[in-house]
Amino acid sequence: DVVLTQSPLSLPVTLGQPASISCISSQSLEYSDGNTYLNWFQQRPGQSPRLLIYRISNRDSGVPVRFSGSGSGTVFTLKISRVEAEDVGVYYCMQGAHWPVTFGGGTKVEIK
Amino acid sequence: QVQLVQSAAEVKRPGASVKVSCKTSGYTFSNYGISWIRQAPGQGLEWVAWISAYNGNTYSAQRLQGRITMTIDTSTRTAYMELRRLTFDETGIYYCARDIPAGGASFMDYWGQGTLLTVSS
Repeated sequence: DVVLTQSPLSLPVTLGQPASISCISSQSLEYSDGNTYLNWFQQRPGQSPRLLIYRISNRDSGVPVRFSGSGSGTVFTLKISRVEAEDVGVYYCMQGAHWPVTFGGGTKVEIK
Repeated sequence: QVQLVQSAAEVKRPGASVKVSCKTSGYTFSNYGISWIRQAPGQGLEWVAWISAYNGNTYSAQRLQGRITMTIDTSTRTAYMELRRLTFDETGIYYCARDIPAGGASFMDYWGQGTLLTVSS
């Protein structure tokens, strides 16, 4: 199975400051159609996960522009340009290129 | 709008079975599949199983094969996941998510609210 390693585990951030989360895959996530299937999800406390970014860098509908995704091959990054209070929660990367689907261990974003 | 509404919380004894439902609306049911994802208390996300509402194909995590059954009812646009011979460590929240209709790469773009399963003696 593909292993996704996220870092850091915990990310205390000052409001208005940037945040960055890393996700490293044990193998390439490029699918046979040429796309790379690496998604990012946000899970706020007590809520279901929500799709933020799909295929590395595409924001899902309604996702604020302060969220951005980048990367290629096996190294990916989620960035929040200026953290707001509503961004508190756990962020997961997920790969859909190889079955079974796997998730990173999660990064908890909290306000300092 | 796309919605996935799951059944209520369940409490089961070890060795029992549970069947969780996921009722969908707001999209063409047969154009997608449904994945099931588990979240143990205070833990991360674990993909459990998938079923296609397009052709009924299924796929599940290797450790659950033989104990899990996924079905769909196209007349009610509902997906079901049944897990048998429950163990304590299967306690957690089970989510359904809209996913690919057939072979391809997973995306999970819409999620249900989750169903809490508690396995307790």
